[in-house]
Amino acid sequence: DAMVIQNPRYQVTQFGKPVTLSCSQTLNHNVMYWYQQKSSQAPKLLFHYYDKDFNNEADTPDNFQSRRPNTSFCFLDIRSPGLGDAAMYLCATSSRTGTYEQYFGPGTRLTVT
Amino acid sequence: AQSVSQHNHHVILSEAASLELGCNYSYGGTVNLFWYVQYPGQHLQLLLKYFSGDPLVKGIKGFEAEFIKSKFSFNLRKPSVQWSDTAEYFCAVNVGSIHGSSNTGKLIFGQGTTLQVKP
Repeated sequence: DAMVIQNPRYQVTQFGKPVTLSCSQTLNHNVMYWYQQKSSQAPKLLFHYYDKDFNNEADTPDNFQSRRPNTSFCFLDIRSPGLGDAAMYLCATSSRTGTYEQYFGPGTRLTVT
Repeated sequence: AQSVSQHNHHVILSEAASLELGCNYSYGGTVNLFWYVQYPGQHLQLLLKYFSGDPLVKGIKGFEAEFIKSKFSFNLRKPSVQWSDTAEYFCAVNVGSIHGSSNTGKLIFGQGTTLQVKP
């Protein structure tokens, strides 16, 4: 089945230690999104790629970066995680055509110690 | 800034009860509206969507939602809930025409409503 895969599902990192979260998709969608979701809060868009074009949300901290080496993969890099970065990170994809229905991965829960 | 409000944060119902979850958004222009559901331990998945046409849309598993433009609302309904509907429900809005080149598909989510259905 076509899907969005996130690895790892759970990630523990130390305060200040860089961490990378991975997302891959078999849907061949040209748009990929990264959301941050803290407990009992709405998912918040960090940035998205439309093909290779990177679009950062204005309030996304510089600590968060992303890479998209090809259509299938997208990475979220947190350069110096703080305790406040502990959250669920959701990857989603959509096609540029149609109604922008987004398909979500299962998420990576990040713990910062 | 655009925002989405879900008024009910936690709803508890008995099986067979009717459900209505409120969703309001703050944007006066063209919007595309979605309801997503997250079952325990699973990923977010689409329940239903509205982007034009009949304001009453039907989704999966017997859910429906009505877009009332004058009220900036997109409430989710189900006539008779089941225990398996226990989940978290998110309303989301995409701003702008789906045909516009400037639409990035960005979703603005509400805070979510946790629905607990008692057997």
